[in-house]
Amino acid sequence: DAKTTQPTSMDCAEGRAANLPCNHSTISGNEYVYWYRQIHSQGPQYIIHGLKNNETNEMASLIITEDRKSSTLILPHATLRDTAVYYCIVRAYTDKLIFGTGTRLQVFP
Amino acid sequence: DVKVTQSSRYLVKRTGEKVFLECVQDMDHENMFWYRQDPGLGLRLIYFSYDVKMKEKGDIPEGYSVSREKKERFSLILESASTNQTSMYLCASTSITGELFFGEGSRLTVL
Repeated sequence: DAKTTQPTSMDCAEGRAANLPCNHSTISGNEYVYWYRQIHSQGPQYIIHGLKNNETNEMASLIITEDRKSSTLILPHATLRDTAVYYCIVRAYTDKLIFGTGTRLQVFP
Repeated sequence: DVKVTQSSRYLVKRTGEKVFLECVQDMDHENMFWYRQDPGLGLRLIYFSYDVKMKEKGDIPEGYSVSREKKERFSLILESASTNQTSMYLCASTSITGELFFGEGSRLTVL
């Protein structure tokens, strides 16, 4: 079973920030939060990951709550090419990696 | 850049045939995974391996086996292909920090 809960779908206007939430209330101390996305017909693409501190890279920012029970992926200026299914996953390094159903983000002009 | 290479992008096989799907990664990753993806069902884990000659069943291992004789190569085997194994198969490996890298996928059609 996936250990995360995400909304099924979200919309975002082009140029605006897209904020994708994820609940992981049963996360363990050694588990990281990972975000991936899958653009239609391509393999999933790594976006970002974190343990307990907020993280930022050239693609996105990851905000993890202090209790680590939820997180938010932020795409600061969404473009049409960001339309994809976004997966939030929690796992420790040696765990099997299970994908849930993810959030389908639609960016509109 | 990390590269995960799957041997065939498209395959067409007949029911009962033995099918090999090969996956090679060039970054010395220990963990490797095989998934299948079907419309409406998302990505489902078939098998994973955390070391050479080690394997663990995922959520849907029935009808599949795997082989990990060398660290860089993880093979998925369909001993006797069936039509319900028609799917997109995706191989992945993870770095020491857990970043997951996927191959391009192999679309298998079983007639």
